[in-house]
Amino acid sequence: GAVVSQHPSWVICKSGTSVKIECRSLDFQATTMFWYRQFPKQSLMLMATSNEGSKATYEQGVEKDKFLINHASLTLSTLTVTSAHPEDSSFYICSGETGLAGVYEQFFGPGTRLTVL
Amino acid sequence: AQTVTQSQPEMSVQEAETVTLSCTYDTSESDYYLFWYKQPPSRQMILVIRQEAYKQQNATENRFSVNFQKAAKSFSLKISDSQLGDAAMYFCASTIQGAQKLVFGQGTRLTINP
Repeated sequence: GAVVSQHPSWVICKSGTSVKIECRSLDFQATTMFWYRQFPKQSLMLMATSNEGSKATYEQGVEKDKFLINHASLTLSTLTVTSAHPEDSSFYICSGETGLAGVYEQFFGPGTRLTVL
Repeated sequence: AQTVTQSQPEMSVQEAETVTLSCTYDTSESDYYLFWYKQPPSRQMILVIRQEAYKQQNATENRFSVNFQKAAKSFSLKISDSQLGDAAMYFCASTIQGAQKLVFGQGTRLTINP
């Protein structure tokens, strides 16, 4: 299957600082990437849909000014958590969408654990 | 809103036995995909099996198979000959809005007893 990487795999930051998480599709081009958030022992919640060259589409209740998404190329999307606070601590997962041979699939990155002190 | 429901928070099975994980979904779409994903302790999401809604035949992947009941909106996962490496969280998911998004169920934690 296709490979998606995330960097960093974990990050600890102080409250009030900004953190950038990178999501890269290593062996395919992802016109669309997705960002999810997962709290401990809970399911994945879609935060936003990121389309290359256009603005991201945010899910209801997700603050677009806090979670800045940039999809600069077909292989890179970034999520910046601005002015992070302890409640932003979570596991963030990205995925890239493919439609090879007409078969829809999302390939997931390994996730980034964010801890805000 | 489209929903996916997994009613079994936890399941356990003896090694080499068979276990079935339940999933129901609610959609008004006529064309959609259904998935089972596995999330081991590493937290990497791994696709287990996929079903296209227009296909009547149940998908199978080696020891993994589904029972897709479209009218009942049910999509259960059967794991045969369970192995210790099958222990993980299992998430059922459905595409929504023209195959652009995924909505996930709450997850089922599967334990394999040696």
